[in-house]
Amino acid sequence: EIVLTQSPGTLSLSPGERATLSCRASQSVSGSYLAWYQQRPGRAPRLLIYGASNRATGIPDRFSGFGSGTDFTLTISRLEPEDFAVYYCQQYGSSPITFGQGTRLEIK
Amino acid sequence: EVQLVESGGGLVPPGGSLRLSCAASGFTFSNNAMSWVRQAPGKGLEWVSGISGSGDITYYADSVKGRFTISRDNSKNTLDVRMNSLRAEDTAVYYCAKDRWGSGTSSMDVWGKGTTVTVSS
Repeated sequence: EIVLTQSPGTLSLSPGERATLSCRASQSVSGSYLAWYQQRPGRAPRLLIYGASNRATGIPDRFSGFGSGTDFTLTISRLEPEDFAVYYCQQYGSSPITFGQGTRLEIK
Repeated sequence: EVQLVESGGGLVPPGGSLRLSCAASGFTFSNNAMSWVRQAPGKGLEWVSGISGSGDITYYADSVKGRFTISRDNSKNTLDVRMNSLRAEDTAVYYCAKDRWGSGTSSMDVWGKGTTVTVSS
């Protein structure tokens, strides 16, 4: 199975700053089938990005995804208070589907 | 509005069984594959099982293969998972999720609020 490693484990930033989250795969992700999810405390995950770079319906354009092969990034251009949450990457190019361990984005 | 509502969680002893259900509304249910994803307390997300839109193809994580059975009723817009031989490590919030595609593995664009399963004596 493909193992996804997210870094950093925790990212401390202030509102208005730029956040860059990394997701590295143990082998190439077929078709760039890589998604990003946001999970706020006590809430279900929410799809942000699919296909490495496509924003899901209703997702603000401050969220952007990039990458291919084994290296992917999620960038949040200007942090809003509601963006402080945990972010997970997921690969769905091969079975089984796997998730990264998550990056916690906290207010500095 | 697209909505998924899970039910059936609860406390069950080790070795016991439980059936979770998910009621879907607001979309053409048979057009989309569906998945179950779980989250142990304080941990990350773990994909558990998936089923194609037609219901003829199923997928399982190795951790639950042979113990869990996923199924769907497209006439009732419901998704189920039957969980047998439950272990303490199955304790988690279980989410029902709508896949973006009709079959195969996919990203998930709609999630339910989850139902909690606790395996303990």
